[in-house]
Amino acid sequence: KQEVTQIPAALSVPEGENLVLNCSFTDSAIYNLQWFRQDPGKGLTSLLLIQSSQREQTSGRLNASLDKSSGRSTLYIAASQPGDSATYLCAVFSGGSNYKLTFGKGTLLTVNP
Amino acid sequence: GAVVSQHPSWVICKSGTSVKIECRSLDFQATTMFWYRQFPKQSLMLMATSNEGSKATYEQGVEKDKFLINHASLTLSTLTVTSAHPEDSSFYICSGITGGAEAFFGQGTRLTVV
Repeated sequence: KQEVTQIPAALSVPEGENLVLNCSFTDSAIYNLQWFRQDPGKGLTSLLLIQSSQREQTSGRLNASLDKSSGRSTLYIAASQPGDSATYLCAVFSGGSNYKLTFGKGTLLTVNP
Repeated sequence: GAVVSQHPSWVICKSGTSVKIECRSLDFQATTMFWYRQFPKQSLMLMATSNEGSKATYEQGVEKDKFLINHASLTLSTLTVTSAHPEDSSFYICSGITGGAEAFFGQGTRLTVV
């Protein structure tokens, strides 16, 4: 059974700081890994998708890496802004007989002005 | 990115009644949709996998007779909470999966059973 762990559970940083969120998963047989953002009471917004054959993806101030063999991914946020405050969720897409998207518990990020 | 529309965004119903939640993929065809439930300050809990034209696959512990899922077309899946009770109050979110195995989520539905 796939299990996804995110560290830290919560993070508070001053505006402008660079930060790293961590995600680990137990079963390396994945199709892809996605990072999402969730604002309170809202749905999920897809940030980055990394296919299993890729090592990293970048979008603006965000950079996500994937090391499938070790079961790890990181989300790097550069020059953080108060608007980045949200919960960040990591999810892995597993295939075969266990076709599903499994989520970590998320990291609650607060960027202070 | 692709768009998934979920409706309604919130609903209040009386105990014992049924509520239907719709999930539509607006600009792509989703042969697979996932339905999740989220408790306050918790992560998403997968309830079931909805496959177009076939029966949904439910996760262990999820009552299939209580949470009816229909995926009649490539762009629409519905979740019906039957005979709702206060303990069914929660945030329900659907996800459509593109051909490239990328997940896009609806806005979520806040269900309150009184």
